[in-house]
Amino acid sequence: NAGVTQTPKFRILKIGQSMTLQCTQDMNHNYMYWYRQDPGMGLKLIYYSVGAGITDKGEVPNGYNVSRSTTEDFPLRLELAAPSQTSVYFCASSQAPPPGQGILDPPGQFFGPGTRLTVL
Amino acid sequence: GQNIDQPTEMTATEGAIVQINCTYQTSGFNGLFWYQQHAGEAPTFLSYNVLDGLEEKGRFSSFLSRSKGYSYLLLKELQMKDSASYLCAVKNDYKLSFGAGTTVTVRA
Repeated sequence: NAGVTQTPKFRILKIGQSMTLQCTQDMNHNYMYWYRQDPGMGLKLIYYSVGAGITDKGEVPNGYNVSRSTTEDFPLRLELAAPSQTSVYFCASSQAPPPGQGILDPPGQFFGPGTRLTVL
Repeated sequence: GQNIDQPTEMTATEGAIVQINCTYQTSGFNGLFWYQQHAGEAPTFLSYNVLDGLEEKGRFSSFLSRSKGYSYLLLKELQMKDSASYLCAVKNDYKLSFGAGTTVTVRA
């Protein structure tokens, strides 16, 4: 299994440009997440999805969009890049615990290697 | 809202013990995670607590007190490779809220 893969690894954008950050997982996980991490800060949740066709906003969704047409893929779209979106972006996935198994079996999140984005 | 606090930096000597504290005030609680993140890399899972008490995994242990909104990660027999950032994260339903991370520097 490759786990969670992200492309590209690095990207420089000009203000106003658009791009899509790709994320794919091959673990058949239901849940997928997009985070951003600014220097010296923790991860902030941008968007998440609990299954194909279902997405919802996290803490910092403004300026981003997502879609989840398949279980494997969860792309993040930036429509009009701004300098404030300079950050490292991590995609993650996790499996829902089986019914009844619940709290003692941690549905930990598996992270991709990240995309380092600079907007100039 | 979510408020998760941990110290910014800690320094310790190789072979020593370091304890990283995390306090939290969150709107919901379904467990607490600790992640390790080396510079330029993705976070990796270290430990998980959902019930009060101590969980031990080799050189790493994690403690939780839900009534106090408090957890700590204990790193024993420190090695140079333990130099990294350690992130405390509180789970609410299936979402995680992260602290800013504690950078641990291990010196020879």
